[in-house]
Amino acid sequence: AQSVTQLDSQVPVFEEAPVELRCNYSSSVSVYLFWYVQYPNQGLQLLLKYLSGSTLVKGINGFEAEFNKSQTSFHLRKPSVHISDTAEYFCAVLGGGGADGLTFGKGTHLIIQP
Amino acid sequence: ETGVTQTPRHLVMGMTNKKSLKCEQHLGHNAMYWYKQSAKKPLELMFVYNFKEQTENNSVPSRFSPECPNSSHLFLHLHTLQPEDSALYLCASSIGTDSPLHFGNGTRLTVT
Repeated sequence: AQSVTQLDSQVPVFEEAPVELRCNYSSSVSVYLFWYVQYPNQGLQLLLKYLSGSTLVKGINGFEAEFNKSQTSFHLRKPSVHISDTAEYFCAVLGGGGADGLTFGKGTHLIIQP
Repeated sequence: ETGVTQTPRHLVMGMTNKKSLKCEQHLGHNAMYWYKQSAKKPLELMFVYNFKEQTENNSVPSRFSPECPNSSHLFLHLHTLQPEDSALYLCASSIGTDSPLHFGNGTRLTVT
């Protein structure tokens, strides 16, 4: 079985400040890791993914995430946020070659304050 | 445009109604999914189809009935729903079940 924990349900940040959204996972097998973003009244959009190789992955809109196997973490970061980054962010894990399906965290609401 | 189209965007139905949600993708993907998104809860996987065959039914009540006539289309037939079934229903597709998902914009369902 696999699980995802997003400890922060809500993160307020001032515009142009850096942000880190935390994600920890548990799985008994090798995993693929993802971050998705959901803007109001829309579906989820893939931000970035870790499948293998370099542990630092870059995604769209200036976001990046680092896979840390020893800490079972996949935190999402952006050095300078913009008002348009206000959205819900979901971390997800896919393990067992896909046999267990994609498991999502509860989401973190990123609130950008002017 | 996400490549995955869901209709309708909004649906209000009574508990005795029968309605269907539709999902369509022309990305050439082989797997399609239904997820339920309720407030303050993680996304719940409902059904998975891979090459038109249902491979996952996550203990979903029988008042939800999926149909996948081909790899490009997925339906969710609804009947005698309960108010707690009100949620955002998201369709997704992927190349295979071990690939990233592409989501539609969802259908906001309200059961009165």
